Amino acid sequence: DVKVTQSSRYLVKRTGEKVFLECVQDMDHENMFWYRQDPGLGLRLIYFSYDVKMKEKGDIPEGYSVSREKKERFSLILESASTNQTSMYLCASSLRLYEQYFGPGTRLTVT
Amino acid sequence: DQQVKQNSPSLSVQEGRISILNCDYTNSMFDYFLWYKKYPAEGPTFLISISSIKDKNEDGRFTVFLNKSAKHLSLHIVPSQPGDSAVYFCAANGRSNTGKLIFGQGTTLQVKP
Repeated sequence: DVKVTQSSRYLVKRTGEKVFLECVQDMDHENMFWYRQDPGLGLRLIYFSYDVKMKEKGDIPEGYSVSREKKERFSLILESASTNQTSMYLCASSLRLYEQYFGPGTRLTVT
Repeated sequence: DQQVKQNSPSLSVQEGRISILNCDYTNSMFDYFLWYKKYPAEGPTFLISISSIKDKNEDGRFTVFLNKSAKHLSLHIVPSQPGDSAVYFCAANGRSNTGKLIFGQGTTLQVKP
């Protein structure tokens, strides 16, 4: 069974703080993804990575960066958190093309 | 520019009846489509997929239909069960060989006992 874990289920941060969201998958998947989910907007891709140290911007990368130093771990970084980054953040991984496995999500609130 | 659209935010059906969830897309280059199901406080889980070389794929109570000329796909759930109540997302491959997906906005399905 594929398992994708995220470091926190709920997180509250202050405006201007640097925030790290961690994601770990245990199935040796090549591809990893970070999304945010907002009501009425569905899942929007922030960044993805198709190999260690490789990354590519998604549809809404502004205000975010990522790091993939090891195959199993993909980190999302909010350099200076803002209130419009309050959202549900979802990490996913995939081996075969397209079928992605998601973690449980991190509900981030920025005050 | 929303390339994958789910125009119905919500749907309510009676237990035992058919649920039909719809999805439209604009990019004729999409060649693989998926449906995901999401319960509150959980990540989405893969449900069913279809390649553009097919027009139908069935898995138990779930069937996905693809109409390429209309750029439309639908998910049929028969019979619907209360446990099917969730948010359903359709998705399409964003670019070949990257695994990138483009998701619709989601439709919340409520199945009433």
